[in-house]
Amino acid sequence: EAGVAQSPRYKIIEKRQSVAFWCNPISGHATLYWYQQILGQGPKLLIQFQNNGVVDDSQLPKDRFSAERLKGVDSTLKIQPAKLEDSAVYLCASSLVPGSEQYFGPGTRLTVT
Amino acid sequence: KNEVEQSPQNLTAQEGEFITINCSYSVGISALHWLQQHPGGGIVSLFMLSSGKKKHGRLIATINIQEKHSSLHITASHPRDSAVYICAVRREETSGSRLTFGEGTQLTVNP
Repeated sequence: EAGVAQSPRYKIIEKRQSVAFWCNPISGHATLYWYQQILGQGPKLLIQFQNNGVVDDSQLPKDRFSAERLKGVDSTLKIQPAKLEDSAVYLCASSLVPGSEQYFGPGTRLTVT
Repeated sequence: KNEVEQSPQNLTAQEGEFITINCSYSVGISALHWLQQHPGGGIVSLFMLSSGKKKHGRLIATINIQEKHSSLHITASHPRDSAVYICAVRREETSGSRLTFGEGTQLTVNP
């Protein structure tokens, strides 16, 4: 069974630029999560999708971050414009249903200079 | 104060030692997860538990719901166990199954 795929693995941009991350969850997993992990901290949930609907985006900085999962499979997370404090690893995870075990992708390491 | 606290923050051990990592939480939970994160960022789920004890190979996880405390034990530790171990809880009232994470314990096992 293929795991959660993410791309790119690494990205370096300048502040005020835009960036997008892509996630392909495990086939059949209805729930998809995006996390932000700042160095030295645990992951923080940014947004949770159930199929193509948003379940929880209370911690998403909506003035600059957006995410979509239009067909209920792949998802993209966008930052526009980026700030220095957005430097982090962005993790995507999926689960069969809400509350079941989450499977994490390898993450995208973003550096904003 | 974080809702999920781990101790120690950093742990160095010699190969073969018995290792314990602790997790305390301050909210009602429906489940607790132990995760392993290797350099490069990838996270692997080790255990998900809501009561008692689970064992997988050299790893053992226990939880005491009354005391709001969980421990992760590694028996006969090996250098390949070196990683960050993260405790995460799913709060009882969270309909969206959001996990709240501890800050992790950096484990280094020396040969």
